Amino acid sequence: LAKTTQPISMDSYEGQEVNITCSHNNIATNDYITWYQQFPSQGPRFIIQGYKTKVTNEVASLFIPADRKSSTLSLPRVSLSDTAVYYCLVGALNTGGFKTIFGAGTRLFVKA
Amino acid sequence: NAGVTQTPKFQVLKTGQSMTLQCAQDMNHEYMSWYRQDPGMGLRLIHYSVGAGITDQGEVPNGYNVSRSTTEDFPLRLLSAAPSQTSVYFCASRSTTDTQYFGPGTRLTVL
Repeated sequence: LAKTTQPISMDSYEGQEVNITCSHNNIATNDYITWYQQFPSQGPRFIIQGYKTKVTNEVASLFIPADRKSSTLSLPRVSLSDTAVYYCLVGALNTGGFKTIFGAGTRLFVKA
Repeated sequence: NAGVTQTPKFQVLKTGQSMTLQCAQDMNHEYMSWYRQDPGMGLRLIHYSVGAGITDQGEVPNGYNVSRSTTEDFPLRLLSAAPSQTSVYFCASRSTTDTQYFGPGTRLTVL
């Protein structure tokens, strides 16, 4: 099972760009990288998913280098409402996501 | 679509009691799973199912049973509740090509 390593916590200010890096040295060939966001008392919510290079959607970008041993979630111009825990997971899509491990995640605290 | 629904939202049990946490999804997803989340921790997989009639154990299955008689429903049964099972329980579902959708969670306290 691919294990991930993320910073335990990060602080930022409103309007700044936040980059959260995740290490996954033993990622397998058919593994995808997925990021989730979790607010207190809620279930995790999907943010973005990618396999290689760069993926962008309306809320974030995901940068994946060629060796795929790490990935960086980029949140542009964060606001107070982005304060949450962010989880990086790696796993194959055709296993239903069960061969993935949720680590402790990164607690992002956005200050005014 | 209601997505993934869970009942109850809160539950208090005494040690030794049994109960069933309900989970339902209306997205026709093949895969469903149960996780528990302890304070300050990530989610740990309890049991999962890849389709009706098929279930398997995850990381922390002891003390829990599941069944999947329909595509929509995936109940989690606590056989004999213990204080160590005090946690927040999340149900999730997904299709083969989509990401996981999580329910709102059930907060369980075992006294």
